[in-house]
Amino acid sequence: DAKTTQPNSMESNEEEPVHLPCNHSTISGTDYIHWYRQLPSQGPEYVIHGLTSNVNNRMASLAIAEDRKSSTLILHRATLRDAAVYYCILRPGHNAGNMLTFGGGTRLMVKP
Amino acid sequence: ETGVTQTPRHLVMGMTNKKSLKCEQHLGHNAMYWYKQSAKKPLELMFVYSLEERVENNSVPSRFSPECPNSSHLFLHLHTLQPEDSALYLCASSPEPGLLGANVLTFGAGSRLTVL
Repeated sequence: DAKTTQPNSMESNEEEPVHLPCNHSTISGTDYIHWYRQLPSQGPEYVIHGLTSNVNNRMASLAIAEDRKSSTLILHRATLRDAAVYYCILRPGHNAGNMLTFGGGTRLMVKP
Repeated sequence: ETGVTQTPRHLVMGMTNKKSLKCEQHLGHNAMYWYKQSAKKPLELMFVYSLEERVENNSVPSRFSPECPNSSHLFLHLHTLQPEDSALYLCASSPEPGLLGANVLTFGAGSRLTVL
């Protein structure tokens, strides 16, 4: 399975944009890029996903490099509630299962 | 509230006890999952059920026994556990396994298990 690499931790100031990077140099052509986050004392929650084009939703934006070997999750204005562990995951598009494999993620700390 | 409910939220048990974790989803999903999250380790997929049939078992010890009586309910039966089994056990569901692209997992809040 293609793997992802993320920084262990990042800090941000409240109300500033945050760019969370993810490297996936062995991504295959059919792999989808998913982002989840896990707030303290909660299960992971879906944030966003994409294949080739950049994506926007109410939570975040996903910028995917042209060669798809990296992506960036963008939180446009960080709030204290965005402090969480953010996971970048690849999901095979052709697989019969939904076997999302989680790595270590990036712990985002938001300072007031 | 995510639509996936796990009970109990906290459980303490001895190594000789038998207990069960329960997961319930009211999202109309057809696939359900058990994940294990130990301290300082990535989430580990344990079991996957699709339409009440087990489709994946990631070499989990037999002291963990899943049960999926219908598409809305999932159990994890526990017996003769070890202290190293102490972890957060997370249940998730998705519309279908294998649905391309938009198939997203919805997680419950987890059951925190402590084995003494």
